[in-house]
Amino acid sequence: GAVVSQHPSRVICKSGTSVKIECRSLDFQATTMFWYRQFPKQSLMLMATSNEGSKATYEQGVEKDKFLINHASLTLSTLTVTSAHPEDSSFYICSASPGDGSYEQYFGPGTRLTVT
Amino acid sequence: DAKTTQPPSMDCAEGRAANLPCNHSTISGNEYVYWYRQIHSQGPQYIIHGLKNNETNEMASLIITEDRKSSTLILPHATLRDTAVYYCIVKGSNSGYALNFGKGTSLLVTP
Repeated sequence: GAVVSQHPSRVICKSGTSVKIECRSLDFQATTMFWYRQFPKQSLMLMATSNEGSKATYEQGVEKDKFLINHASLTLSTLTVTSAHPEDSSFYICSASPGDGSYEQYFGPGTRLTVT
Repeated sequence: DAKTTQPPSMDCAEGRAANLPCNHSTISGNEYVYWYRQIHSQGPQYIIHGLKNNETNEMASLIITEDRKSSTLILPHATLRDTAVYYCIVKGSNSGYALNFGKGTSLLVTP
């Protein structure tokens, strides 16, 4: 099956700093990538939808100036958490869709962010 | 997209079939039923999906009732590695690609 990677898998940063998370589709081109966030013992919540070459669409309540998303190529999307705070500590998961009509999404392994 | 209802948790003995139910009584004609699972601290994994016919692949079988208001995911011979949260998601073909994860069913497979 299709493979999606994320880097880093785990990151600890100090409050007020910015962190960039990369999401790559390794063996297919992804016209659309999605970013989800998952707090402990909760389900995944969609943060934003990212289409290659255009601005991301953010879900209600997600600050676009805080969570910067760039989808500059068909295999790479990045999420930058700016001025991170402890409440941003979470499990961030990306997924990618080939957009070939299959409507399947392939998920990355997730990135555990801890803000101290 | 239609909402789904799943039991919060289930247990299953190793080697036995695990039958995970899902209610989606408001499903509409062009909406598919998708199943994903998430093993602790990993990204979700696609299992199977269907529209109205029963489906089977190497991981599981999906049984959809004739009125499409409910479905059952069957893991025929559960193993300890099948312990995970299982999500039933209904998604229309015209509503974009995003998946709306509910609370899912936490399946515990016991030795």
